[in-house]
Amino acid sequence: GENVGLHLPTLSVQEGDNSIINCAYSNSASDYFIWYKQESGKGPQFIIDIRSNMDKRQGQRVTVLLNKTVKHLSLQIAATQPGDSAVYFCADGEETSGSRLTFGEGTQLTVNP
Amino acid sequence: KAGVTQTPRYLIKTRGQQVTLSCSPISGHRSVSWYQQTPGQGLQFLFEYFSETQRNKGNFPGRFSGRQFSNSRSEMNVSTLELGDSALYLCASSYPGQANYGYTFGSGTRLTVV
Repeated sequence: GENVGLHLPTLSVQEGDNSIINCAYSNSASDYFIWYKQESGKGPQFIIDIRSNMDKRQGQRVTVLLNKTVKHLSLQIAATQPGDSAVYFCADGEETSGSRLTFGEGTQLTVNP
Repeated sequence: KAGVTQTPRYLIKTRGQQVTLSCSPISGHRSVSWYQQTPGQGLQFLFEYFSETQRNKGNFPGRFSGRQFSNSRSEMNVSTLELGDSALYLCASSYPGQANYGYTFGSGTRLTVV
């Protein structure tokens, strides 16, 4: 279930595997980055964020990695569960731009039991 | 606490009509942003309102407008609807007006233009 570096619109993994979802951004001035999960019929739900002065941040079962040199972001989900099936988006924003976010292309994650 | 509430959930309109969508933010949140989500373009920023003032605007035509009331509730309006306006319209609210501080999305209004 790993696809390091390359953004894929879909990712299929087995339950219990680790998942890596990749995202590219274009604005070198972005101050923070957020990963969202969107389930069918719902709005995006916050997963984890990271500021531009960090390169790694860990949450519960999730880790976000930021590589500012190549403008790349990744989300790692440990021990993926069927409830993790959803579309995942990365987004970036600037402190001086209020609440405006620029979203990346989503990745549909499917977890097979 | 109650989340972000968007009404209506679904809407069907005819080309050329206008539509108004409503968003009630989380209590105490002063910033409301609107996004359009389509399969082809993804999530795109429309505009942001903070304390009743438009603070940011995306690259959408003037047919798309919005406003915010003193209780922070916001409405967006689309005039002269086109088929391409069919989309899921999402709003998000936050307290101090930055997306990395408690930014919460509603479930959206699904607009279909026929």
